Amino acid sequence: AQSVTQPDIHITVSEGASLELRCNYSYGATPYLFWYVQSPGQGLQLLLKYFSGDTLVQGIKGFEAEFKRSQSSFNLRKPSVHWSDAAEYFCAVGFTRGGSNYKLTFGKGTLLTVNP
Amino acid sequence: DTGVSQDPRHKITKRGQNVTFRCDPISEHNRLYWYRQTLGQGPEFLTYFQNEAQLEKSRLLSDRFSAERPKGSFSTLEIQRTEQGDSAMYLCASSLGRVSTDTQYFGPGTRLTVL
Repeated sequence: AQSVTQPDIHITVSEGASLELRCNYSYGATPYLFWYVQSPGQGLQLLLKYFSGDTLVQGIKGFEAEFKRSQSSFNLRKPSVHWSDAAEYFCAVGFTRGGSNYKLTFGKGTLLTVNP
Repeated sequence: DTGVSQDPRHKITKRGQNVTFRCDPISEHNRLYWYRQTLGQGPEFLTYFQNEAQLEKSRLLSDRFSAERPKGSFSTLEIQRTEQGDSAMYLCASSLGRVSTDTQYFGPGTRLTVL
């Protein structure tokens, strides 16, 4: 069964500092991987996704993530955090059928706090 | 593109009552998904539709839950005889469903509180 682990429940960084959020997945085939962000009381906004090709993917708001098959990881990074990045971040793996992903399995999320 | 919309945004009900939520997907999106998110957890898959056909249901979807998408456009999720354990955020998402790189776009969710 597929699963996603986000080892860090809560991370606090200072504004302007770099950020890395960890994500490890377990999946038997080539994974489709996603990072979503959720602000308080809101739905999920897609930050970036990986399907194939270049293992370093760029997303919105200056985020990037790197797929490392050997480590089963898809860590999210940002070189300089802004106060508006404070939110909860979810990593997800897409279960595929017929070559198309249709069911997402999410990690438990990492809550990011940004100090001024 | 107006995004995925959900109604209501908040619902408070008493245990034993029935509730119904509505989701309007992005137009031309063939697939529609329902997820449930409890406090401190990531969203969990409940069910999904390809057009009007419900193709998979999670074991989380007990027989008190029913979802429909009668004309392949909007969808409803009904919970009968609500229990306190049903309190959660119910998220709807939609996707094109035609390509291997299918991406799900989420609505703002309906927060259910069962007293």
